[in-house]
Amino acid sequence: NAGVMQNPRHLVRRRGQEARLRCSPMKGHSHVYWYRQLPEEGLKFMVYLQKENIIDESGMPKERFSAEFPKEGPSILRIQQVVRGDSAAYFCASSPDRKLFFGSGTQLSVL
Amino acid sequence: GIQVEQSPPDLILQEGANSTLRCNFSDSVNNLQWFHQNPWGQLINLFYIPSGTKQNGRLSATTVATERYSLLYISSSQTTDSGVYFCAVEREGTSYDKVIFGPGTSLSVIP
Repeated sequence: NAGVMQNPRHLVRRRGQEARLRCSPMKGHSHVYWYRQLPEEGLKFMVYLQKENIIDESGMPKERFSAEFPKEGPSILRIQQVVRGDSAAYFCASSPDRKLFFGSGTQLSVL
Repeated sequence: GIQVEQSPPDLILQEGANSTLRCNFSDSVNNLQWFHQNPWGQLINLFYIPSGTKQNGRLSATTVATERYSLLYISSSQTTDSGVYFCAVEREGTSYDKVIFGPGTSLSVIP
């Protein structure tokens, strides 16, 4: 059983471009979480999804950020019109119930 | 929302020493997890421990849910134990809720 897969591992974008981060949960996991981590800081909750549903998006900025977890395919975290402050590591975790398993993260750098 | 505190924020140990990390939380929880983030950024789930005591090799954890704290014990520390240790909690309720992370304890084990 493959672990949680995130891609790309590194993503470089210029200000104003769009960033799409992908997360394929472990087989059988129906819960997906996205977290953001700035250097030397902890993990900040962004959004919690189940298949085709957003359960809690209270940690996600209301503008420019969106997330989805479709019936088929990976979960996508989308950041439109990126700014330098969006530079961070973005981690995805999946869960069959409550125990979290993390992917390796995507390091987003905005030039 | 629920508040999670961890202590100490930083810890330096000589190889072979023992340590105790603490996690306090402000509300009743459905579950509590301990994670280790290694120097390469990878997050590993160490324990899923809503209550009671568990052991895994040189690591053990105890959660006293009624008093709203958890402890992570590291015995005979090794340099590979270096990294950041996070606790994460899900607030108690009848349905699934977001998982919130504490700020972490940064551990450095020196030879």
